[in-house]
Amino acid sequence: DIQMTQSPSSLSASVGDRVTITCRASQGISNYLAWYQQKPGKVPKLLIYAASTLQSGVPSRFSGSGSGTDFTLTISSLQPEDVATYYCQKYNSALITFGQGTRLEIK
Amino acid sequence: QVQLVQSGAEVKKPGASVKVSCKASGYTFTSYGISWVRQAPGQGLEWMGWISAYNGNTNYAQKLQGRVTMTTDTSTSTAYMELRSLRSDDTAVYYCARDSSGYSDWGQGTLVTVSS
Repeated sequence: DIQMTQSPSSLSASVGDRVTITCRASQGISNYLAWYQQKPGKVPKLLIYAASTLQSGVPSRFSGSGSGTDFTLTISSLQPEDVATYYCQKYNSALITFGQGTRLEIK
Repeated sequence: QVQLVQSGAEVKKPGASVKVSCKASGYTFTSYGISWVRQAPGQGLEWMGWISAYNGNTNYAQKLQGRVTMTTDTSTSTAYMELRSLRSDDTAVYYCARDSSGYSDWGQGTLVTVSS
């Protein structure tokens, strides 16, 4: 099975900072990679699909990049409402896998 | 608009079974698959499996093979997830999600508590 490893597992940043979260696949998955945001007690929300396509309605400060095995989610200017846990997900085959999550806090 | 409405919270004893429903509206049900994802308290997201609403084909996570069954009723646009031989570590919020490029639409979640 393909494993998805996110880093860091948690991070703290200041409002206005540029934040980058990394997701690495144990084998190549082309661009079959999605990113989700989950706020405490809430349902996960799709941010990015196909590695770099912004889901409708998602603020443009979120962006995704990568292909193959290495992917990044970037928040260009961190806002207080971005406090959440972020998950990557690979969907290149019938077996779906999520990363373990990255908890993002405001410093 | 797309809506996925799940059944209510359940409390079950170890060894019992639970069946969670997910009623879809706002789109052509048979045009998309439904995936099920669960989240144990304080833990991450765990993919459980997928069912085609078109033909009923399924794929299940290996760790749940033999204990989980996913079905659909196209007459009511409802998907079901049944988990058997429940254990305490099956305590979680269970979500259904519409399978597009990524999961753009999710149910509200169903808390299943397994406790003696």
